[in-house]
Amino acid sequence: GAVVSQHPSRVICKSGTSVKIECRSLDFQATTMFWYRQFPKKSLMLMATSNEGSKATYEQGVEKDKFLINHASLTLSTLTVTSAHPEDSSFYICSASGTGFNPDNYGYTFGSGTRLTVV
Amino acid sequence: KQEVTQIPAALSVPEGENLVLNCSFTDSAIYNLQWFRQDPGKGLTSLLLIQSSQREQTSGRLNASLDKSSGRSTLYIAASQPGDSATYLCAVASWGKLQFGAGTQVVVTP
Repeated sequence: GAVVSQHPSRVICKSGTSVKIECRSLDFQATTMFWYRQFPKKSLMLMATSNEGSKATYEQGVEKDKFLINHASLTLSTLTVTSAHPEDSSFYICSASGTGFNPDNYGYTFGSGTRLTVV
Repeated sequence: KQEVTQIPAALSVPEGENLVLNCSFTDSAIYNLQWFRQDPGKGLTSLLLIQSSQREQTSGRLNASLDKSSGRSTLYIAASQPGDSATYLCAVASWGKLQFGAGTQVVVTP
């Protein structure tokens, strides 16, 4: 149980365009989703936390107008990188928690990640 | 603010040797600590979860210990195999967030 699916796994886009990444909980209702960014050989950095039906809470230093997060349903959250630039190239990964699946008890489960390359 | 450090950053061992990976954290007020494996360009695979009240967890060749008072956890991998080559991340859950270390990159040579 507690499977998180992330799509696409890899995307290349032109500078100035927007890219949407989807994160889905397959077998539980995800009341909370987390979005992380990972730089090469670096730790995962939490970007934002989203609760279903509410605005996302962004970590300090993360531009909320550039990284739009929508969590409109209990099984889907999306991260949209707007007006992408080469410095936005990175590995983005999501995690989820929810009803019947408290990560404090069961740990966190992650999507498979999305490699974004902006050219 | 919770800080998580992993030492060493990289490790190379011959097949069959035991692996010892270290993780330290600065704030002992944690819910749990989780060890993950990450293959290049891939997501995270959960290996072991240790609750704050536990001292260790075992799964097959993997054993993880937790000393909350000293802010340390150690992941032991017995009889390493080339398939164990990956980056190992520890993450501490505290105050509703998961804080990651930078990882230890492991190479097991045949």
